[in-house]
Amino acid sequence: DSGVTQTPKHLITATGQRVTLRCSPRSGDLSVYWYQQSLDQGLQFLIQYYNGEERAKGNILERFSAQQFPDLHSELNLSSLELGDSALYFCASSGGPAEGYTFGSGTRLTVV
Amino acid sequence: DQQVKQNSPSLSVQEGRISILNCDYTNSMFDYFLWYKKYPAEGPTFLISISSIKDKNEDGRFTVFLNKSAKHLSLHIVPSQPGDSAVYFCAAKVGGGADGLTFGKGTHLIIQP
Repeated sequence: DSGVTQTPKHLITATGQRVTLRCSPRSGDLSVYWYQQSLDQGLQFLIQYYNGEERAKGNILERFSAQQFPDLHSELNLSSLELGDSALYFCASSGGPAEGYTFGSGTRLTVV
Repeated sequence: DQQVKQNSPSLSVQEGRISILNCDYTNSMFDYFLWYKKYPAEGPTFLISISSIKDKNEDGRFTVFLNKSAKHLSLHIVPSQPGDSAVYFCAAKVGGGADGLTFGKGTHLIIQP
C-alpha cells in the first residue's frame, strides 16, 4: 500500500458520458498530480494541485477538469467521453518539489 | 515532441547478469532525474533519483549514471534478479519547479532464469 488511494479501480462507461475519478493523497502530502497512461504511451502529465490550488497544467483536454478539496483529496472529472479516453489514470502525491512522487494503483477507464 | 526517450521498449537479461536501461532527454532545463518501476496492475514506485550536480548515485543493487553533456542517463541493476522483471520508467523535471515529471514510455525488463 503506497498510501495514495484511488477509486474506483475499474470503470466502464459509454461514449458521451461523464465520470469522476477520486484520489486521496498520502498523509501530509500537499501536492496531487494526475497522469494518463494510454496504450503504448508513457505517463502523460495532466494537472497538478497544491494545497487546493491549481499549480501546473500539462496535456489536459478541455473536456477534463480537476479540483483539490480542503481535506486534500482530489477529483478528476472527464466529460463527453470518447473511445480514445480509455486509459489508466494515475494519481500521485508528494510532499515537496524535491521529493519523488508516490503513485496510487490507478483507475482503468474503458469507454465503449 | 518527446522530451524523455527510452528507445528500447523491452530488454531481456539473464538472472545474475547486469541490466542496463537507457534514457535520453532533450530539455536542457531538466536537472532532476528519477527512475520508477512498475508491476502490472500497480502504480509506479520510486526507485532511485539523481540531481544534475552529480554524475552517479548508488543504492544497493541500483546505480544511476548521468551524462549531462550527452543528455543521457542509465540505470544499472547488478546482479539482476527475477523480481526485477517490470516496466522501468525514466522521468525528469526542472528541480524545484511546479511542473509535473516528464516520463519516458518505459522499458519492459525481463529477467530470464
